[in-house]
Amino acid sequence: QSALTQPASVSGSPGQSITISCTGTSSDVGGYNFVTWYQQHPGKAPKLMIYDVNKRPSGVSNRFSGSKSGNTASLTISGLQAEDEADYYCSSYTGSSTHVVFGGGTKVTAL
Amino acid sequence: EVQLVESGGGLVQPGGSLRLSCAASGFTFDTYWMHWVRQAPGKGLVWVSRINTDGSSTTYADSVRGRFTISRDNAENTLHLQMSSLRAEDTARYYCARGLGIRVFDVWGQGTMVTVSS
Repeated sequence: QSALTQPASVSGSPGQSITISCTGTSSDVGGYNFVTWYQQHPGKAPKLMIYDVNKRPSGVSNRFSGSKSGNTASLTISGLQAEDEADYYCSSYTGSSTHVVFGGGTKVTAL
Repeated sequence: EVQLVESGGGLVQPGGSLRLSCAASGFTFDTYWMHWVRQAPGKGLVWVSRINTDGSSTTYADSVRGRFTISRDNAENTLHLQMSSLRAEDTARYYCARGLGIRVFDVWGQGTMVTVSS
């Protein structure tokens, strides 16, 4: 069982906006502004998309945005495109000794 | 080009050992924390271990502590993961990842597959 809870799947029509949630506790998501999001296409390595809740690395489309409210973080994909179909994983800093926990992943489908 | 290339995976019997390596290029290796993250077939990402820039500090997930050892050779720009007492549940693709500190992984290798089975 993953430490952070994500929906198994989210879908939307091309051009629409979708939001993926990532729910933790006050010991991880809620306690720090250190939520990260990764994109993973089938058979590929994960790719960093968002860090520190809402910061985008250079080269990541501005269609991807992050936010947080309480113990739940969210990744929003605006103007959904076919190339956005992938698995998305959230992670958070945690006060435990390991310092990093992942969510179980969300499969995004463009209908 | 910033690149991480893992090697050393394969099929090993339960109780056996394996040493994974990760060759880094295109960046100043000894200024970055490095991590191993694994992914069992069809499952999610799980952080395994990390090492600081000079190798003096290491941390492990509870599931591998005492069985796995992370190390680095800054002269050779290489990260290692020595795995022993392997179990079926260690079967996964193991990714090497560059860390922005201890909590963000900004560059990933393509992974190397480890299968523990008799």
